[in-house]
Amino acid sequence: SQTIHQWPATLVQPVGSPLSLECTVEGTSNPNLYWYRQAAGRGLQLLFYSVGIGQISSEVPQNLSASRPQDRQFILSSKKLLLSDSDFYLCAWSRGSPDVLTFGAGSRLTVL
Amino acid sequence: SQQGEEDPQALSIQEGENATMNCSYKTSINNLQWYRQNSGRGLVHLILIRSNEREKHSGRLRVTLDTSKKSSSLLITASRAADTASYFCATAYYGQNFVFGPGTRLSVLP
Repeated sequence: SQTIHQWPATLVQPVGSPLSLECTVEGTSNPNLYWYRQAAGRGLQLLFYSVGIGQISSEVPQNLSASRPQDRQFILSSKKLLLSDSDFYLCAWSRGSPDVLTFGAGSRLTVL
Repeated sequence: SQQGEEDPQALSIQEGENATMNCSYKTSINNLQWYRQNSGRGLVHLILIRSNEREKHSGRLRVTLDTSKKSSSLLITASRAADTASYFCATAYYGQNFVFGPGTRLSVLP
């Protein structure tokens, strides 16, 4: 069966520090991968999606970037965090688009 | 914006009652999905309904889709305290990625 792992679950970082959130999927190949951002009590905002290795599409301008170094690995990064980057980040995968999304457990980022 | 909108934003009911949440969207869709999110966790897929379907059932869940009104509803029957969560509709537009609404926060009181 397919599983998705996302880590770290919680992260507290100072302003100006780098960020790396990682997501891996098991049990499938060539998945579509997504990074979403969620403010407290709000809906999801799509940040990045990828249909293959090295193929990244950005939905909104952010202080963030994404990379897909391997088929089932998706990384969300920042070189210098801002206070406004504090939020809940979710990784997800699907077999295609549009199709059912399977989400990771999420990463709570607090920038101080 | 193509974003779907759930209604109501918050809903509080007693255990055993039915909960109904609505979702409206703006343009033609391929399918519509409902997801559930417990506080501080990832979203879990509940049910998918395609644009050529009008109603689907899954356990205590019933979803309807009215493409003429561009709306969907999620009914949870005989609710339980464990149903307390936020519920999101996600609309899938042809050739585009999902768009999530802001969600309905459901509280089921014991």
